[in-house]
Amino acid sequence: DAKTTQPTSMDCAEGRAANLPCNHSTISGNEYVYWYRQIHSQGPQYIIHGLKNNETNEMASLIITEDRKSSTLILPHATLRDTAVYYCIVRLYNTNAGKSTFGDGTTLTVKP
Amino acid sequence: DVKVTQSSRYLVKRTGEKVFLECVQDMDHENMFWYRQDPGLGLRLIYFSYDVKMKEKGDIPEGYSVSREKKERFSLILESASTNQTSMYLCASSRDGTGTGELFFGEGSRLTVL
Repeated sequence: DAKTTQPTSMDCAEGRAANLPCNHSTISGNEYVYWYRQIHSQGPQYIIHGLKNNETNEMASLIITEDRKSSTLILPHATLRDTAVYYCIVRLYNTNAGKSTFGDGTTLTVKP
Repeated sequence: DVKVTQSSRYLVKRTGEKVFLECVQDMDHENMFWYRQDPGLGLRLIYFSYDVKMKEKGDIPEGYSVSREKKERFSLILESASTNQTSMYLCASSRDGTGTGELFFGEGSRLTVL
């Protein structure tokens, strides 16, 4: 699986959009980008995934650049409950999901 | 609401004790996984299972064993707990091959070995 690079930490004001970047410059053509988050003292939670097109669900939007070397997770109206560690993961779609590499992620702090 | 349930949120054990961590999922998933999470090391895969009675080693299986007698239940066993096994343990499940491939995690079991 391709390696990802994320900033260590970010802050966001409550009610504003939180934009979390991820660099995956070595991604291959059939690897997907997955995002998870982990709220303190809980297990990680799946957010969204995509291949090349932008994706949106009830939790977030995922913007993938045309060259697929980076992506941005957008939380459109961040709340205090969005404070968490966010993980960007790249892997093949039908490979063993459990072998996904969860690195250190980005610690997002939403401030009032 | 789909769920992965871990039997204990917090455990304190003594060195040398045998420790059982239980995990149950209600989604009829084929795949189940055990991880440990330590600061600065991310999530590390200990063992996983593709089916009942099947198990495979992950990246750090030493000092651990697992059991999967029923599809919904996956147990992690520390035969003789040691202080370096103090950690947060996470169980997860996923469907086999198809679908979104997302992982569903339990809330974690924080084990302290004294």
